[in-house]
Amino acid sequence: GAVVSQHPSRVICKSGTSVKIECRSLDFQATTMFWYRQFPKKSLMLMATSNEGSKATYEQGVEKDKFLINHASLTLSTLTVTSAHPEDSSFYICSARDTGTSGNEQFFGPGTRLTVL
Amino acid sequence: KQEVTQIPAALSVPEGENLVLNCSFTDSAIYNLQWFRQDPGKGLTSLLLIQSSQREQTSGRLNASLDKSSGRSTLYIAASQPGDSATYLCAPTYSSARQLTFGSGTQLTVLP
Repeated sequence: GAVVSQHPSRVICKSGTSVKIECRSLDFQATTMFWYRQFPKKSLMLMATSNEGSKATYEQGVEKDKFLINHASLTLSTLTVTSAHPEDSSFYICSARDTGTSGNEQFFGPGTRLTVL
Repeated sequence: KQEVTQIPAALSVPEGENLVLNCSFTDSAIYNLQWFRQDPGKGLTSLLLIQSSQREQTSGRLNASLDKSSGRSTLYIAASQPGDSATYLCAPTYSSARQLTFGSGTQLTVLP
């Protein structure tokens, strides 16, 4: 299957700092990427849909000024957690839709563990 | 509201057993359905993709079926191995442009 990478895999930061997470589709182009958040022993919660060249679409309850998404190219989307606080600590996972596959299969990155002290 | 339910929530079996994981969804008008596995602290690995026009897909020891009319999908794992231990998630999509809708997952433990 196609490969999606995320960087960094783990980040620890102080409260009040901003953290940027990158999501890359390595061997295909993705006009649409998705950002999820996962709490321990819970399923994935969709935060936003990232569209190349346009504004992201945020799910209800997700603060767009808090979680800035940029999808500037067909292989890269970034999520910036601004002024992070301990409650933002979570596992963040991105996925990318490969429209080149039959059925628009989605592939996931390995995730980024964010810990805010 | 589209809901996805996975039963059982957790399953523990001895190595070598064949097993079935169940997924049900409330809206049968799906575009496709994917099964994933997630290892602790890791991202999701796509296992199988079934399109709405298909009834099943097979990959190695895995077989996934889809019954749209009843809103159900099953993942069959043959001759289970300890390496199959993970959380398995099913996720339908309701159009080519829509995001996945995830179930809560089945946590599988295969005992050596």
